[in-house]
Amino acid sequence: QSALTQPASVSGSPGQSITISCTGTSSDVGSYNLVSWYQQHPGKAPKLIIYEGSKRPSGVSNRFSGSKSGNTASLTISGLQAEDEADYYCCSYAGSSTYVFGTGAKVTVL
Amino acid sequence: EVQLVESGGGLVQPGGSMRLSCAASGFSFSSYWMSWVRQAPGKGLEWVANIKQDESEKQYVDSVKGRFTISRDNAKNSLYLQMNSLRVEDTAVYYCARDRRGSYFMFDYWGQGTLVTVSS
Repeated sequence: QSALTQPASVSGSPGQSITISCTGTSSDVGSYNLVSWYQQHPGKAPKLIIYEGSKRPSGVSNRFSGSKSGNTASLTISGLQAEDEADYYCCSYAGSSTYVFGTGAKVTVL
Repeated sequence: EVQLVESGGGLVQPGGSMRLSCAASGFSFSSYWMSWVRQAPGKGLEWVANIKQDESEKQYVDSVKGRFTISRDNAKNSLYLQMNSLRVEDTAVYYCARDRRGSYFMFDYWGQGTLVTVSS
């Protein structure tokens, strides 16, 4: 049950694209296409933005996209906007009804 | 509208106990798994525990096994977390979340959280 590894911080200028990686193991990310991503603004509850690796819930901007290769999942934010400045967490199903979150990545819009 | 409202947080001494509650509304509570997720001050999210619709299955993160107990009352649309033998490292905001275990395996709705502070 070790946390998935994410970069501590990622930054980009408005309009640019950034990618946040999420590295797990063959027991979690690598075994299931069940990675979800959450956006959290300061003092707020997390908000689901991607599930099942690449699906967006209704109402979530199509500027957010997800993918996976092997034991690493990725979240890409295209057309970066000031409102995207937040913390982002990946989460993977880890079997036996358990989950593991990533360490979190702080996105800064320059 | 789906709503999850946590309560019961506060200050407790190490070794003490606390019971958190989560009141659910706007959906068929008895049809969903539910989870507790916590976040220590300035730290990341950590999944803590979840419970199946009929309480027949409960899972916990290793660090709370034997100390925390998750339960639910479907008649009252409520989720609970009984926390015993609390440690300083249990200090966190505790969120309840609707757990889509069995379908999409994600957390689609979250409460606003309740702060638990373990300190002498």
